[in-house]
Amino acid sequence: AQKITQTQPGMFVQEKEAVTLDCTYDTSDPSYGLFWYKQPSSGEMIFLIYQGSYDQQNATEGRYSLNFQKARKSANLVISASQLGDSAMYFCAMREGGTSDYKLSFGAGTTVTVRA
Amino acid sequence: NAGVTQTPKFRILKIGQSMTLQCTQDMNHNYMYWYRQDPGMGLKLIYYSVGAGITDKGEVPNGYNVSRSTTEDFPLRLELAAPSQTSVYFCASSYSTGPPTDTQYFGPGTRLTVL
Repeated sequence: AQKITQTQPGMFVQEKEAVTLDCTYDTSDPSYGLFWYKQPSSGEMIFLIYQGSYDQQNATEGRYSLNFQKARKSANLVISASQLGDSAMYFCAMREGGTSDYKLSFGAGTTVTVRA
Repeated sequence: NAGVTQTPKFRILKIGQSMTLQCTQDMNHNYMYWYRQDPGMGLKLIYYSVGAGITDKGEVPNGYNVSRSTTEDFPLRLELAAPSQTSVYFCASSYSTGPPTDTQYFGPGTRLTVL
């Protein structure tokens, strides 16, 4: 079964507007971590933001915030005030705490294109 | 502090050839990982290591081998390259001491084409 689902293959957003990228996850482990990574056209994977399953508050990192809805098993990324440099592929990933390897399971990604 | 470095950045192999992808990290991380990313897809785990001398298989280990003789280095060996191994390979590392609250940091990737 797919552990991470990203249903939006591609999105367009106007510069300076906010955009929400959807991510749902599937796990029976009570301890897990959710991550978002950005992959620009240059190819590197850039860590953006992290949310722990026991964290009471939604994570924020500059213009990035994570809308964590535990009961719905969703961890949507919100990018506020979009910039042209935000055009990239965005991946949601999860690491489950019940295993000893701490490996990440990735979604298929969402491509964001910011228009001027 | 260079983080995670990978060499080479690009490589073209012929079917049946072998090669080693190098990965080095200077953050004193104990955990290291190899992922592959096929076009338009997310990353899949090939192998991982929880410390020097300890390695284990991930989701897609067939056709690959790894070793971890030092904390810093985690090379990935491709034996008898096949077109299905055409992909971008990422090495990552993290410092895990317990709950899954740490972050994996990735190298720049190696783009491999097998013809």
